Amino acid sequence: DARVTQTPRHKVTEMGQEVTMRCQPILGHNTVFWYRQTMMQGLELLAYFRNRAPLDDSGMPKDRFSAEMPDATLATLKIQPSEPRDSAVYFCASAPFRQLGYYGYTFGSGTRLTVV
Amino acid sequence: GDSVTQMEGPVTLSEEAFLTINCTYTATGYPSLFWYVQYPGEGLQLLLKATKADDKGSNKGFEATYRKETTSFHLEKGSVQVSDSAVYFCALIRNTGTASKLTFGTGTRLQVTL
Repeated sequence: DARVTQTPRHKVTEMGQEVTMRCQPILGHNTVFWYRQTMMQGLELLAYFRNRAPLDDSGMPKDRFSAEMPDATLATLKIQPSEPRDSAVYFCASAPFRQLGYYGYTFGSGTRLTVV
Repeated sequence: GDSVTQMEGPVTLSEEAFLTINCTYTATGYPSLFWYVQYPGEGLQLLLKATKADDKGSNKGFEATYRKETTSFHLEKGSVQVSDSAVYFCALIRNTGTASKLTFGTGTRLQVTL
């Protein structure tokens, strides 16, 4: 089965450090989404891309978060500087845009971030 | 705007009990509807889907029927197992040009006990 690959699976870092999370979407999927999941807020959409161009990043704290797609096989989410309130599980998902209504998204296994 | 409303959890059932998790939606037009499942420590996985009214999605013993007249997509299973313990998310999508994305419900946690 094709899958979305996220690295690292777990990350513990100290407050103030830079964190980079990576996502490899399924080959041929041209739409990529970043979500954050916490117990308090549930699932939040941070940003998404189509054909590597950002379509909406309104869910992302702009002062410290940035998301990019350097190429079609890699999406990155960066936090600089990190804060304890950023502790969460970050999910990447991908989909073929023209078949979104039929296939939905495929999610990765997530990066569990702990900021101490 | 689009929205999905799910029943509050947790839902606690004994093994072999009948499961219903309610999901209703608000959206114009004809959205596609999905159920995702998230097992502990994992990402969300597509469980089943329906793309038009009266379609029934099914997978792993779970079923849901797209009811446009009641704007609902309730998830059912005739006999749950402990291994079904997870969080279930209902979702919809309308293809509206450049900004297509899923709208998720808040999730319903299911706990199945022996």
